[in-house]
Amino acid sequence: GAVVSQHPSWVICKSGTSVKIECRSLDFQATTMFWYRQFPKQSLMLMATSNEGSKATYEQGVEKDKFLINHASLTLSTLTVTSAHPEDSSFYICSARIDGETQYFGPGTRLLVL
Amino acid sequence: QKEVEQNSGPLSVPEGAIASLNCTYSDRGSQSFFWYRQYSGKSPELIMFIYSNGDKEDGRFTAQLNKASQYVSLLIRDSQPSDSATYLCAVKEGRGYSTLTFGKGTMLLVSP
Repeated sequence: GAVVSQHPSWVICKSGTSVKIECRSLDFQATTMFWYRQFPKQSLMLMATSNEGSKATYEQGVEKDKFLINHASLTLSTLTVTSAHPEDSSFYICSARIDGETQYFGPGTRLLVL
Repeated sequence: QKEVEQNSGPLSVPEGAIASLNCTYSDRGSQSFFWYRQYSGKSPELIMFIYSNGDKEDGRFTAQLNKASQYVSLLIRDSQPSDSATYLCAVKEGRGYSTLTFGKGTMLLVSP
């Protein structure tokens, strides 16, 4: 299957700081990437759909000013958690869609806000 | 609201048995169906997808789709302890560019 990478895999930060997470499609071009969040023992929750060259589409209840998404190229999307707070601690996972159908997930980024 | 339902489990099967994982969905317009496996602490990995009614086989895995009953299942033959994971069912409306709706997943435990 297609390969999607994320960086960093782990991040610990102080409350109030901003954290940037990168998602890259390594062997294909992805016009659409997705950002999910998963709390322990919970299901995947879609946060936003990231389209190359245009603004992201956020799901209801997700603050677009807090979770900044940039999809500057066909292989890179970034999620910036601004002014992070302990309740933002979670497992953030991106995925990239290939051929308009199948989504492949990155390995995820664990964020811990102290 | 689109819903995808899965039994949370755990579903426990002995090694070598067939594991049967089930999923129902609410949106009759759904056209694409996916099964992902998620090991604890890891991100989901795609196992297989199915678009048409009937069975689709890939190695030890068989996906079954019944659109009339709004039901999709995953069979795992000759289950191995390494198959122990949470299995996520995901459904997409139409072919093309809509988003996936995920179930909460079924935890499978395969005992040696």
